[in-house]
Amino acid sequence: KQEVTQIPAALSVPEGENLVLNCSFTDSAIYNLQWFRQDPGKGLTSLLLIQSSQREQTSGRLNASLDKSSGRSTLYIAASQPGDSATYLCAVCGANNLFFGTGTRLTVIP
Amino acid sequence: EAGVAQSPRYKIIEKRQSVAFWCNPISGHATLYWYQQILGQGPKLLIQFQNNGVVDDSQLPKDRFSAERLKGVDSTLKIQPAKLEDSAVYLCASSLNLGGQGSTEAFFGQGTRLTVV
Repeated sequence: KQEVTQIPAALSVPEGENLVLNCSFTDSAIYNLQWFRQDPGKGLTSLLLIQSSQREQTSGRLNASLDKSSGRSTLYIAASQPGDSATYLCAVCGANNLFFGTGTRLTVIP
Repeated sequence: EAGVAQSPRYKIIEKRQSVAFWCNPISGHATLYWYQQILGQGPKLLIQFQNNGVVDDSQLPKDRFSAERLKGVDSTLKIQPAKLEDSAVYLCASSLNLGGQGSTEAFFGQGTRLTVV
């Protein structure tokens, strides 16, 4: 059974700092990996989708990488802003399911 | 493009009562998911539909939970009777196609926050 782990569980950084969020998964037989953002009391907003054949995806200040063989993905956020404060979740797509990690709660301090 | 719509946004019920949630996926999306997210945890899949057929309901507590997707579009999730541990956010998501090769991005609704007292 697929297990997804996100480290750290919580992170606080000063505004302007670059940061990296980590996601690891136990079963490398995945088809894609998706990073989501969740604000308190809200649903999930899709940030980036990386297909299994890709190594990375970029959107604005966000860059996600995928190393399928080692079961790892990272989400890099450049020049962090207070508006980036949220919980970030990664999800791996297997044969017919999305398996989620427990998320990293990010706080960007002005 | 309209997103995934869910209602209600919030619901408070007493234990042993019943409750229903509604989801309208993005137009044209064949795959629909219901997830349960308990506070501080990641979402857990309850049931997955491909059009109006069930793909995976292995983690659905079938003694109290039921779901249907009539005509392969809207879906309802019901809990009867509710327990205190059912307090959670219930998220609906949709994607163009199923998991597997060529699987596409999943889009989530705002969720329904259920409190069972």
